[in-house]
Amino acid sequence: AQSVTQLDSHVSVSEGTPVLLRCNYSSSYSPSLFWYVQHPNKGLQLLLKYTSAATLVKGINGFEAEFKKSETSFHLTKPSAHMSDAAEYFCVVSDRNAGNMLTFGGGTRLMVKP
Amino acid sequence: KAGVTQTPRYLIKTRGQQVTLSCSPISGHRSVSWYQQTPGQGLQFLFEYFSETQRNKGNFPGRFSGRQFSNSRSEMNVSTLELGDSALYLCASSPGLAWTTDTQYFGPGTRLTVL
Repeated sequence: AQSVTQLDSHVSVSEGTPVLLRCNYSSSYSPSLFWYVQHPNKGLQLLLKYTSAATLVKGINGFEAEFKKSETSFHLTKPSAHMSDAAEYFCVVSDRNAGNMLTFGGGTRLMVKP
Repeated sequence: KAGVTQTPRYLIKTRGQQVTLSCSPISGHRSVSWYQQTPGQGLQFLFEYFSETQRNKGNFPGRFSGRQFSNSRSEMNVSTLELGDSALYLCASSPGLAWTTDTQYFGPGTRLTVL
């Protein structure tokens, strides 16, 4: 069965400093991996996705993630945090061998201090 | 293009009642997926409909059901409501099946409160 573990439920950074949100996955096949962001009282928005092309994936708003098969990780990074980045972030895996379901991680709440 | 719309946005029901939630996907999208989001369980996949057929189903009891119409609009029904069904129900649409490389676009959700 596939699963996703977001290693930190809360991350706090200062504006202008780097962001690192960690995600580890378990999958029996070559997975597709996604990061979504959810701002308060809004739906989820796709930040980026990995689908077995380049292992370094660039997304919107300056975010990027690197797929590391040997470490089964897909960490999300951004060089410089902005106040508007404060939100909840979800790492998601989909795996054909898992019935084509999308499995969400528990989420990481990112707080950005001025 | 208009985004994914969900109605109603807020709903209050009592235990034992049933409820129907509606989702209109982005024009041209054929897949609609439903998710339940709660503080305790996080985001959980309910089911996916594609071309009026249920293609995938999560681990939820039979009280949760859905359907999709020929115009791709989808409804989700929950019967015999329980307190634990209180949640934000999110709908997402995509051109193709959710597990493919197609991006899913999420609606704002319906907040269901069961008293």
